[in-house]
Amino acid sequence: RKEVEQDPGPFNVPEGATVAFNCTYSNSASQSFFWYRQDCRKEPKLLMSVYSSGNEDGRFTAQLNRASQYISLLIRDSKLSDSATYLCVVTRTSNTGKLIFGQGTTLQVKP
Amino acid sequence: EAGVTQFPSHSVIEKGQTVTLRCDPISGHDNLYWYRRVMGKEIKFLLHFVKESKQDESGMPNNRFLAERTGGTYSTLKVQPAELEDSGVYFCASSQELGSGEKLFFGSGTQLSVL
Repeated sequence: RKEVEQDPGPFNVPEGATVAFNCTYSNSASQSFFWYRQDCRKEPKLLMSVYSSGNEDGRFTAQLNRASQYISLLIRDSKLSDSATYLCVVTRTSNTGKLIFGQGTTLQVKP
Repeated sequence: EAGVTQFPSHSVIEKGQTVTLRCDPISGHDNLYWYRRVMGKEIKFLLHFVKESKQDESGMPNNRFLAERTGGTYSTLKVQPAELEDSGVYFCASSQELGSGEKLFFGSGTQLSVL
């Protein structure tokens, strides 16, 4: 079983739609949680960190449920430029750059 | 400021040959990481340098892979001899502090194809 599981998609949505991605992790001792974004043939880039209290950055909202070992990302008012692969990432310890990646969820926003 | 740079961007070699990938981290970043994504799989950690020392090489697949970071600046990852299953994208990342995922900067990767 993968340590971080994501629905690979693809998710095909029209511009302006709201889309939600989910991710589960198997190691209950996981410490830090992130969503990364990866454009086609490019490097992964940090989208946002994820906290138990939930956090929002513009149209993006991330949520962590430690009890269920579940992470979510909500994108409101989707733009064409949001088309990318979204990677769920955890770490087993704090203060480490050793990241555990999910396989990624592909989003295609269509006009 | 220059980001993490990797060279070459693409490499096509035959099974049994040797390939050396290079990573130049952001200037001043002591921490350097190698990651790999093989086709259809998730990105996986290979190893972590702090300056010139290997801090964690638990992700290295086997002894055909050799990573070095002489002088604590750029790093090389050599695959010798290359096998078909080594094909994938090799990413390098660097960070100034020993932080978590929010402090890592990735290079654009080397696409390795072993034929």
